Amino acid sequence: EAGVAQSPRYKIIEKRQSVAFWCNPISGHATLYWYQQILGQGPKLLIQFQNNGVVDDSQLPKDRFSAERLKGVDSTLKIQPAKLEDSAVYLCASSPTGGGTGELFFGEGSRLTVL
Amino acid sequence: GESVGLHLPTLSVQEGDNSIINCAYSNSASDYFIWYKQESGKGPQFIIDIRSNMDKRQGQRVTVLLNKTVKHLSLQIAATQPGDSAVYFCAETMKAGTALIFGKGTTLSVSS
Repeated sequence: EAGVAQSPRYKIIEKRQSVAFWCNPISGHATLYWYQQILGQGPKLLIQFQNNGVVDDSQLPKDRFSAERLKGVDSTLKIQPAKLEDSAVYLCASSPTGGGTGELFFGEGSRLTVL
Repeated sequence: GESVGLHLPTLSVQEGDNSIINCAYSNSASDYFIWYKQESGKGPQFIIDIRSNMDKRQGQRVTVLLNKTVKHLSLQIAATQPGDSAVYFCAETMKAGTALIFGKGTTLSVSS
């Protein structure tokens, strides 16, 4: 079974530029999450989708971050304009709907460096 | 084996020792608890989970203990190997299908 796919793996941009990250979850997983992981810290939830609807975006800095999952499968996370403090790894995760253990399946992440 | 009572950011052990990594969780209403292992440059990888109606669960070389009274979770790794070197995170959620909240990580270093 293929895992969660993310791209690009690495991105370096200057502050005030924009960047977009893409995620393709495990086939059949209805729930998709974007997490931000700053160096030395645990992942922090940015947004959770159930199919193509947003379940929780309370911690998403909406003045600069946006995310969509238009067809309920893959998702894009965008940052515009980027700030220095956005340097982090952006992790995408997915989980099946309902039941189970609560386990999330993570991708390898997209590492962003803002100069 | 090495053990810590409170959360420490790093833990160094010798190969073959038993390791104990501790975590304090935040929400007394949390129902699921999961330990993840994160190697450098990779995403978190599931190790073991436990529900709130249990106090102990064993896997292959790993055991998770849950103490709801003091909101404490621990991960025990038996016969620690160099391949166990990674950052370990505990995570909690109120129910399956909701986002996990991650705790502070512990970096485990295993020397041979």
